[in-house]
Amino acid sequence: AQTVTQSQPEMSVQEAETVTLSCTYDTSENNYYLFWYKQPPSRQMILVIRQEAYKQQNATENRFSVNFQKAAKSFSLKISDSQLGDTAMYFCAFMKFKYIFGTGTRLKVLA
Amino acid sequence: KAGVTQTPRYLIKTRGQQVTLSCSPISGHRSVSWYQQTPGQGLQFLFEYFSETQRNKGNFPGRFSGRQFSNSRSEMNVSTLELGDSALYLCASSFDGAGLAGETQYFGPGTRLLVL
Repeated sequence: AQTVTQSQPEMSVQEAETVTLSCTYDTSENNYYLFWYKQPPSRQMILVIRQEAYKQQNATENRFSVNFQKAAKSFSLKISDSQLGDTAMYFCAFMKFKYIFGTGTRLKVLA
Repeated sequence: KAGVTQTPRYLIKTRGQQVTLSCSPISGHRSVSWYQQTPGQGLQFLFEYFSETQRNKGNFPGRFSGRQFSNSRSEMNVSTLELGDSALYLCASSFDGAGLAGETQYFGPGTRLLVL
């Protein structure tokens, strides 16, 4: 069975700085998808970034980028130029027929 | 386009009671998935419905059940509530869910259930 591990329950970063959130997963599948979702306080969960496992190129969405290491089964999220609005719970997710989520990392951006 | 809506937003029940939660997906979406979110456990997958059929199921006891109607709206039912069922219940919709690899899910605001 697939598992997703987020080993950092909480993190903080100063505004305008860069922060990296870690995620590792375990699977025997070769083709799958990985996601980072963001859940702001009292607001709905939204997609941050998506990566196809068959693509070697790391996905990028504005200030958000990933470091996808397929052999190491690692999928970290880098947030550049952190903003106060980035304060949220971040969930890493694996998808092959169904979603498997990690336990989340609570990120606080400090002014 | 309206987003995913869930009703009610908050619910307080006592042990032994049952509860029904509702989810209306984005128009045109046929897949609805349900998750239980608790601190420290993250999101635990309950089940997915597609075209009125349960397509995937997580590892939850039979007290947790669901259904989907012809208009894709979905309900989740929990019978004989236990204290440990207190959680935020999220539903998420997508056009084809597990059938379309890598499809993004769109989440509702959740129903926060407190069992006393």
